[in-house]
Amino acid sequence: SAVISQKPSRDICQRGTSLTIQCQVDSQVTMMFWYRQQPGQSLTLIATANQGSEATYESGFVIDKFPISRPNLTFSTLTVSNMSPEDSSIYLCSYAGQDIPFKETQYFGPGTRLLVL
Amino acid sequence: EDKVVQSPLSLVVHEGDTVTLNCSYEVTNFRSLLWYKQEKKAPTFLFMLTSSGIEKKSGRLSSILDKKELFSILNITATQTGDSAVYLCAVTDRGSTLGRLYFGRGTQLTVWP
Repeated sequence: SAVISQKPSRDICQRGTSLTIQCQVDSQVTMMFWYRQQPGQSLTLIATANQGSEATYESGFVIDKFPISRPNLTFSTLTVSNMSPEDSSIYLCSYAGQDIPFKETQYFGPGTRLLVL
Repeated sequence: EDKVVQSPLSLVVHEGDTVTLNCSYEVTNFRSLLWYKQEKKAPTFLFMLTSSGIEKKSGRLSSILDKKELFSILNITATQTGDSAVYLCAVTDRGSTLGRLYFGRGTQLTVWP
C-alpha cells in the first residue's frame, strides 16, 4: 500500500479561527476521504474528496464549514472553518485501495489531533 | 441508530490469553466487513471479509464472517502487550457511495504483562 502522511499532526487553535490539514499520498490514488473522530466516538465520514471537482459531503457536513480541495491524485486538504470547541477531534484522511478486491479497503493517514479552546 | 455494534466495549486480559471481539451489523445491501487496529490515532487495516465461513488469518489474528447472522468475530490468540489498541469494525453497503464505511465504536483491548 502507498504511504500516506498528514500535517500538522496536532494543533491547538482559538475559537473562530480556521485550520487547514494537508494529506499527501506517495502514489496516485483515485479516491480520498476525510473522517472525524470525536473523543470516545468512532470514525465518521465527512466527505469524499473528488479530484478536479467539488467534494461529496455526508449528511450533517457542509462545504462552508469543511471546505476540501483535491488538486491532483496525490494530495488533498481539509479546512475546519470558524472553529468552536465542538470541533475538537482527530481528523483522518484515507485513500481507497487501487486493486480488486481491495478497492473497498481504506488506508488511513496518521491523523491530526485538533484542540479548540 | 448504529449500523455497526461492537462488543465488548472494553476488555482487559493478561498476556497469553485468547480474546474474541464481536461485531454485528445491519445494512441493507451488505458488501464487505473490515477490521482495523487503532493505536494512538491511525487505524491500520487488518482484514476484509466478504464471504461467510471463510477464515482470514494473519499470525495470531483471525477473523470470520457470518452473513446469515450478520456478525463477525476477531480472535487474537496468545495476546501480547503490543496487541493493546482499539479494534474497529466497519461495513460497506452496496447502496451507499463507494468508499462509505460505517464504523462501530470499537473495542478497547488492554493486555497486561
